[in-house]
Amino acid sequence: DVKVTQSSRYLVKRTGEKVFLECVQDMDHENMFWYRQDPGLGLRLIYFSYDVKMKEKGDIPEGYSVSREKKERFSLILESASTNQTSMYLCASTTGQIKTQYFGPGTRLLVL
Amino acid sequence: QKEVEQDPGPLSVPEGAIVSLNCTYSNSAFQYFMWYRQYSRKGPELLMYTYSSGNKEDGRFTAQVDKSSKYISLFIRDSQPSDSATYLCAMSAGAAGNKLTFGGGTRVLVKP
Repeated sequence: DVKVTQSSRYLVKRTGEKVFLECVQDMDHENMFWYRQDPGLGLRLIYFSYDVKMKEKGDIPEGYSVSREKKERFSLILESASTNQTSMYLCASTTGQIKTQYFGPGTRLLVL
Repeated sequence: QKEVEQDPGPLSVPEGAIVSLNCTYSNSAFQYFMWYRQYSRKGPELLMYTYSSGNKEDGRFTAQVDKSSKYISLFIRDSQPSDSATYLCAMSAGAAGNKLTFGGGTRVLVKP
């Protein structure tokens, strides 16, 4: 079974803090994704990565950056957290041979 | 207008009824179609995956794709309270990186 894990299930941070969200997959997938999910807005793609050290902006990259130093690990960074970044953050991975994505359990981030 | 439209619900049905869910889309390049189930405060899990037009059945679940009408459906037979969740449709043109476009999700409640 594909397993995608995320470092925290719940996180509370203060405005202006730097926040790191980590995602690890154990299936040697090339492609990894970060989404945020908000009521009424659905899943929105923040960033994705085709391979190690490669990254592409998604639909809403502003205020975020990413890092992919190892194939299995994809980090989302909030350089200076703001209250409008309070959300559910979901990581996903896939390989080029399949068209579906496998999701982690999500991190609920609250920025105060 | 969103690329993928999905009625947010909630859709409330009695236990044992057939649940009927659907999505419409505008991008004729979409070829790969998925349904995900998401329980409250959890990550989405893949339910069904179909390529191009046609039907696919897996246990109590049937997915249908009508590319000519740009319409996809998911049917759940003999619904159970454990089917209560949000159902997300997703689709892809199959381009590099396997980016998915999601519907907003339909919340389903199966009442005992």
